[in-house]
Amino acid sequence: DQQVKQNSPSLSVQEGRISILNCDYTNSMFDYFLWYKKYPAEGPTFLISISSIKDKNEDGRFTVFLNKSAKHLSLHIVPSQPGDSAVYFCAASAWDTGRRALTFGSGTRLQVQP
Amino acid sequence: GAGVSQSPSNKVTEKGKDVELRCDPISGHTALYWYRQSLGQGLEFLIYFQGNSAPDKSGLPSDRFSAERTGGSVSTLTIQRTQQEDSAVYLCASRKGGGDHNEQFFGPGTRLTVL
Repeated sequence: DQQVKQNSPSLSVQEGRISILNCDYTNSMFDYFLWYKKYPAEGPTFLISISSIKDKNEDGRFTVFLNKSAKHLSLHIVPSQPGDSAVYFCAASAWDTGRRALTFGSGTRLQVQP
Repeated sequence: GAGVSQSPSNKVTEKGKDVELRCDPISGHTALYWYRQSLGQGLEFLIYFQGNSAPDKSGLPSDRFSAERTGGSVSTLTIQRTQQEDSAVYLCASRKGGGDHNEQFFGPGTRLTVL
């Protein structure tokens, strides 16, 4: 039972355009959401996060949107750059006695074409 | 060091052998996590430490898997009698803890191949 789903295994965009990566979740106890970026042979790198009390968080070229009623979040990258090419993982956590273990989606491979 | 380190970076072993994977978290981070990523899959939670205690072992896939953490710092994940399905990248992450929403910082992982 996948609690965090990334239904698009891959996405290709042109340099300078917007990249939109989507993520859906099923567990209503999740209250904190994160996006990680992963290059081959490296560990995931934290990108941006959002608490369930917000619906938007922005950091430079990266913006995360949260729609709690739809249990959906998205990551927007504007403008996309070739260096953004990587696998992006959506992750979620619940308070759950402070454990805060992350439940990850299966990832979306983003390719930004020069 | 500044980040989470893991060793070895690659481990090839024969089926039935025991392996030990090491994680050195960011200094001062009290929470430590082990995850694994099998081929084509997302990251799967294995175990969580707060300080030296492991309040949550729910993700360990079998009793062949165990982990310990000493001195509130270094952690080792041990897999006994390895099987081919144990082949995966094992990732360690640490978090400041104490607060509520601190992000987790990941190490580069150990790629385990069981022949």
